[in-house]
Amino acid sequence: NAGVTQTPKFQVLKTGQSMTLQCAQDMNHEYMSWYRQDPGMGLRLIHYSVGAGITDQGEVPNGYNVSRSTTEDFPLRLLSAAPSQTSVYFCASGRDSEAFFGQGTRLTVV
Amino acid sequence: DQQVKQNSPSLSVQEGRISILNCDYTNSMFDYFLWYKKYPAEGPTFLISISSIKDKNEDGRFTVFLNKSAKHLSLHIVPSQPGDSAVYFCAARLGGSEKLVFGKGMKLTVNP
Repeated sequence: NAGVTQTPKFQVLKTGQSMTLQCAQDMNHEYMSWYRQDPGMGLRLIHYSVGAGITDQGEVPNGYNVSRSTTEDFPLRLLSAAPSQTSVYFCASGRDSEAFFGQGTRLTVV
Repeated sequence: DQQVKQNSPSLSVQEGRISILNCDYTNSMFDYFLWYKKYPAEGPTFLISISSIKDKNEDGRFTVFLNKSAKHLSLHIVPSQPGDSAVYFCAARLGGSEKLVFGKGMKLTVNP
């Protein structure tokens, strides 16, 4: 009963490096989203997708890319990591009362 | 400018008493409100929600009240239990949109 799986759980990057945060869900949800959580800031929407091939920007999209080639996967790409992207990242599948969050990826950019 | 505000960062209550968590919003276009609960090192989990056309929704020990004229909602937990200790996020959805706007969260501690 996997639900939403995020990998990795922890990551340290150097400024300028790129990486992809993986998110996979097995609930056949059309809607998926990425949030970042920062101290005193709550959860902020980065990007979301309403189905395979369809993505849109959230509140804080700069510095991040997404794609949705399958219903199951919704990876988040950091093209050139910056210290301001140090955060905890959550992927969610489903919407509103049916939203299931992954356990998060704690990313540190040094 | 925060559209969803949880002005109290923390709350401490005794087991068995009522916990009241407050949330204010500024955008009258929000049509749906939700509360999520988060334990350390875990993702948020859905707790309870309310549509903007209602003023109350109840689920077991949890009740959410919505006052549209005041742009205010509150979550009541009765009776509070130590397992309720967590961070609670208020969230609101823009009508016609898929986007949720979250508050900063409030840490609830229920003491035995």
